[in-house]
Amino acid sequence: EDQVTQSPEALRLQEGESSSLNCSYTVSGLRGLFWYRQDPGKGPEFLFTLYSAGEEKEKERLKATLTKKESFLHITAPKPEDSATYLCAVGHTGNQFYFGTGTSLTVIP
Amino acid sequence: GEEVAQTPKHLVRGEGQKAKLYCAPIKGHSYVFWYQQVLKNEFKFLISFQNENVFDETGMPKERFSAKCLPNSPCSLEIQATKLEDSAVYFCASSSLMGTWGYTFGSGTRLTVV
Repeated sequence: EDQVTQSPEALRLQEGESSSLNCSYTVSGLRGLFWYRQDPGKGPEFLFTLYSAGEEKEKERLKATLTKKESFLHITAPKPEDSATYLCAVGHTGNQFYFGTGTSLTVIP
Repeated sequence: GEEVAQTPKHLVRGEGQKAKLYCAPIKGHSYVFWYQQVLKNEFKFLISFQNENVFDETGMPKERFSAKCLPNSPCSLEIQATKLEDSAVYFCASSSLMGTWGYTFGSGTRLTVV
């Protein structure tokens, strides 16, 4: 069964406290793993796409990595403005996404 | 900048009433997608279009849901005879490419069925 699982469900960090979010997946016909950020009342905002195991991408304080079964979103020295829900989505051959249920990140000043 | 425009932002309907949601994709994007986000961030794919043609409708509850993308008009998602479980945020996304690359999401329409 196709499935995308994110953990933890919620994460509270002190400003500057680095951590990682996990996304594990079992999807046939994988066409890329995507990370999105979603702020309250807004649509998902694209962060990264990863296509093959071993691939890494970085943007400011965020770094995404991919293995054959999971992806990690590493947040280095987070700031309060990084508070948001981070969604993992897997591209499928059917031209659609399977989304995880997200990790709600709160960064406390 | 360019954005996917969804209207209205909020919609309240009594159970059994009709609801119609609109989405204006980014100009030049040929692909439009509708997703339903319910509790706990659960996204469910509904339907996709390539221009005015349905591309994939495997997620659509066909009994009460319908969607259109007509030339020179916003795309629409219509729910006949709404039910309480239709309460959700409905997101539209558009893309210039086939596949899941380059999606841009709108801000969503929150539908509340009372």
